[in-house]
Amino acid sequence: DTVMTQSPASMSTSVGERVTVNCKASQSVGTVVAWFQQKPGQSPKRLIYLATNRHTGVPDRFTGSGFGRDFTLTISNVEAEDLAVYYCLQYGSIPPYTFGAGTKLELK
Amino acid sequence: EVQLVESGGGLVKPGSSLKLSCVASGFTFSSYGMHWIRQAPKKGLEWIALIYYDSSNKYYADSVKGRFTISRDNSKNTLYLEMNSLRSEDTAMYYCANGRNFDYWGQGVMVTVSS
Repeated sequence: DTVMTQSPASMSTSVGERVTVNCKASQSVGTVVAWFQQKPGQSPKRLIYLATNRHTGVPDRFTGSGFGRDFTLTISNVEAEDLAVYYCLQYGSIPPYTFGAGTKLELK
Repeated sequence: EVQLVESGGGLVKPGSSLKLSCVASGFTFSSYGMHWIRQAPKKGLEWIALIYYDSSNKYYADSVKGRFTISRDNSKNTLYLEMNSLRSEDTAMYYCANGRNFDYWGQGVMVTVSS
């Protein structure tokens, strides 16, 4: 099974800053990676699919990049509403699909 | 507007069975593969099952294989997860999600397995 190693586990930032979350796959997964945001008490919401495609209505301050084994979610100009846990997911051709362990974004 | 509404959760004893439902609206259900994902309390997300749009293929995580069964009724726009031989480690919020790319998720339903 493909393991997604996500880092960092948590980070603290200020409004207006730029942050990056990383996921490294244990084997190449091409571009079949998605990123999700989960706010406290809510279900996860998709931000990015197929590594770089922004979900409808997602602000353009959220950007996905990567191919193969290394993937990044970048949040530019962080806003207070971005307080959440972020997860990556690989969903290659044959399951099982695997999530990263999550990154908790906290605001200073 | 896409809506996915899960139901059927509750408190059950180890070894029991439970069947979850996910009613879909706002998209052509019969054209979409569907997933179940779960999240144990204070833990991360775990993908557990996928069913193709026409039920031709079903896949499971090793943690539930042989105990859980995913199914669907396209005439009722409903996805199911039948859970047997439940264990304490199955305690979690269960979510359904639509599409190859996990487009939208429901609000989740809680399953608690405890004696």
